Amino acid sequence: QSALTQPRSVSGSPGQSVTISCTGTSSGVGDYDYVSWYQQNPGKAPKLLIYDVNKRPSGVPDRFSGSESGNTASLIISGLQAEDEADYYCCSYAGGNSFGVFGGGTKLTVL
Amino acid sequence: EVQLVESGGGLVKPGGSLRLSCGASGFNFRTFSMNWVRQAPGKGLEWVSSLSAVGNYMYYADSVKGRFTISRDNAKNSVYLQMNSLRAEDTALYYCARLGGNYDLDYWGQGTLVTVSS
Repeated sequence: QSALTQPRSVSGSPGQSVTISCTGTSSGVGDYDYVSWYQQNPGKAPKLLIYDVNKRPSGVPDRFSGSESGNTASLIISGLQAEDEADYYCCSYAGGNSFGVFGGGTKLTVL
Repeated sequence: EVQLVESGGGLVKPGGSLRLSCGASGFNFRTFSMNWVRQAPGKGLEWVSSLSAVGNYMYYADSVKGRFTISRDNAKNSVYLQMNSLRAEDTALYYCARLGGNYDLDYWGQGTLVTVSS
């Protein structure tokens, strides 16, 4: 069982905004600003979208943003596009003797 | 251009061994921590193992501790994952990934498939 909880699925129409949450069940999210988000298209490797809670690597559109409140991190995708349909994973340092831990993943459907 | 290319996957019987390799190019390999992440068929991502740039710190998920060993050869720009006592639940696509900064993985390979079955 993942220490980070994500909704199994979210959906939205083109042009809308969606938010994917990532809640820590133990230390990690909220204790350290080390949350990252990944996009995975079918049959492809994950791609880094957000790191350190709200930073974007070069080349990632500014439609993708991240935030954190308490023990919940969020990925916000604004101006939804059909190409955003994919699986999204959060990741955080879980503290103690652990390393990085992933959330269970969220499937985004663009209606 | 950063590239990570995994190899060494295949079909192995329970209790068997495999050694995965990941060749890196396009960056100063010896200054980055390297990692293995796996994804079982139809499932989510699991961070398996991490090795610091100079090889003095390593991490293993509880699920593989005592069975898997991560290593690197900075002269060959390569990182390895020795997998022993393989179990059916180790069946997965194994990705090699570079640690970009604070527990974020900024570049990934395309993965190598490991299937453990009799």
